[in-house]
Amino acid sequence: DIQMTQSPSSLSASVGDRVTITCRARQSISRYLNWYQQKPGKAPKLLIYAASSLQSGVPSRFSGSESGTDFTLTISSLQPEDLATYYCQQSDRTPTFGGGTKVQIK
Amino acid sequence: EVQLVESGGGLVQPGGSLRLSCAASAFTFSNYWMTWVRQAPGKGLEWVANIKQDGSETYYVDSVKGRFTISRDNPRNSLYLQMNSLRAGDTAVYYCARVYYYGSGRYENHFDYWGQGTLVTVSS
Repeated sequence: DIQMTQSPSSLSASVGDRVTITCRARQSISRYLNWYQQKPGKAPKLLIYAASSLQSGVPSRFSGSESGTDFTLTISSLQPEDLATYYCQQSDRTPTFGGGTKVQIK
Repeated sequence: EVQLVESGGGLVQPGGSLRLSCAASAFTFSNYWMTWVRQAPGKGLEWVANIKQDGSETYYVDSVKGRFTISRDNPRNSLYLQMNSLRAGDTAVYYCARVYYYGSGRYENHFDYWGQGTLVTVSS
């Protein structure tokens, strides 16, 4: 199985800040990396697929990028409703998730 | 609107069995791979199993191989997870999700719709 390492495990930022979350794959997964947002007590929600494609209905302040085996989720201007835990996921037949990044609002 | 509704969770003793169900609606269930993902209390997401449209291919995380069985009943628009020899470490909220393939390659997929989850507690 392909291990995914996510960092940081948590962060605190102010409304309007630019926030960056990183996910590293142990081996090449090309661009096959998805990002999910999970709000407290809710099911996960797809944000980004194929490293940089924005899922329909997701605000444009969310974006994704890749560089080799490193992937980045960026929130360009943090909003109060972005309080959540964010997970990366590689999409093989046996997928794996990163450990999650809890985003808190200062 | 696409809906996935899990049921069947509850309290079970170690070594016991439980069968989870996921009722799907508002999409052609037989056209999609389906998956189970779990989340232990206060922990992250862990993929558990997935199944091809016709049930001919199934995959499992190593920790449940030989104990859990994923299956589906397409005419009933239902997904199942039979869980045997349950352990305390299986305690989690179990989500079913639809696997959407945006391309033809095996990696070109994501989980686009999720149920609300059902809690399984393994304890004596």
